[in-house]
This record gives sequence, structure tokens and C-alpha cells, in this order.
Amino acid sequence: SQTIHQWPATLVQPVGSPLSLECTVEGTSNPNLYWYRQAAGRGLQLLFYSVGIGQISSEVPQNLSASRPQDRQFILSSKKLLLSDSGFYLCAWSVRVRVMEGYTFGSGTRLTVV
Amino acid sequence: GQQVMQIPQYQHVQEGEDFTTYCNSSTTLSNIQWYKQRPGGHPVFLIQLVKSGEVKKQKRLTFQFGEAKKNSSLHITATQTTDVGTYFCADRGSARQLTFGSGTQLTVLP
Repeated sequence: SQTIHQWPATLVQPVGSPLSLECTVEGTSNPNLYWYRQAAGRGLQLLFYSVGIGQISSEVPQNLSASRPQDRQFILSSKKLLLSDSGFYLCAWSVRVRVMEGYTFGSGTRLTVV
Repeated sequence: GQQVMQIPQYQHVQEGEDFTTYCNSSTTLSNIQWYKQRPGGHPVFLIQLVKSGEVKKQKRLTFQFGEAKKNSSLHITATQTTDVGTYFCADRGSARQLTFGSGTQLTVLP
């Protein structure tokens, strides 16, 4: 069965520090991968999505970046965090060609920038 | 880009009462998906609607897709405390992306 792992679960980082969040998927090949951010009590904002290794599409200009070094690995990074980067970061995957299935989300990383 | 509006933003109900959340768009929706996010948790896929006028049921949950494919609704009959959470609709405009509504946060009072 397919599983998605996301870590760490919580993170407190000072302003200006770097960030690296990792997400891995097991039990599937060639997934579409996504990074979403959710501010407290708000909806989900798509940050990046990837349809393959090295292929990244950015939805929102910001100081974050994403990389996909392997088929089932998706990394969210920042060189210097801002206070406004605080939020709940969610990784998700979907089957590439079947549009009838929903997204499967990881358990999320709650990031607080102080 | 595509905008999906969801109302109400918050809803408090007494346990046993019914609950409905509505999802609206000014443009035609492609496929509507519904998700539930428990407090502190992550969104979990509930269902997808594809056809105009489609109605699907999951136990006490009834999902509808409007005839013009510009709106959708989720209705919960006789709410229970386990129904607490935020319900999101999302338009699957392409195989690559979902556009989420702003969500309805449901509180069920025992």
C-alpha cells in the first residue's frame, strides 16, 4: 500500500535560519508531488508541484524553493526564513494519470519562525 | 485563476442537528473533491463528483454537484462529535492541480 512520510512534525526556527523539510512516498511510482501551506485557521495554498524528477512548478513567488532529487522524494527549502513563513506545511501526492482519485496528504510539519 | 468560494466559514451545531457547507464558483467546475481535516490533522480525501447533478452518499454524508457544475454541497445528517473538523471542497481542474476552497470549520456541541 502507498504511504507518505513527512518530517519533522514540528519545528521552531529563528528568523534568517535555513529550512529543509522532506517528504517521501512509498508504494507508488511516478507520483505527482505537492507542497501546500496552511496558515492558522485558513485554507490550503499550493506552493509547488512536481510531475517528475527535477521538474518543479512554483505557484507563489516567495523565498521558498523545492527540489525533487528522486522520484519519490520532495524537499522544501529556504535559505533565510521570514516570520511570515510560519504555518502548517503539507506534502501530498497523487496518481499521475488518474484524475478520479484524491490527493493523499502527509501528516504535516508545523513550522514556527521566531 | 479559478476561485472556489466556500460558505459558511464557521458553523456551530448541537449534536444531532444537520449541517451543510456550500462550494461556489463563478466558472464551471471540472471535478469537485471533498476533504475533511480534523483539528491538528491533515486533509483526508472523502469523495469526488464528476457529473452534472451527481449525488453521492457516504453513511450520514450526502454530496451534490450542481446541474450547471458551478456549485457543490456537503450535507451531514444528525451530526456527531466525530464530525468535528474543517471540510474543504476542491476543484480538480487538471490532473496536476487542485484549487481548494477556504473551508468550513464545523464545531459540534455535545
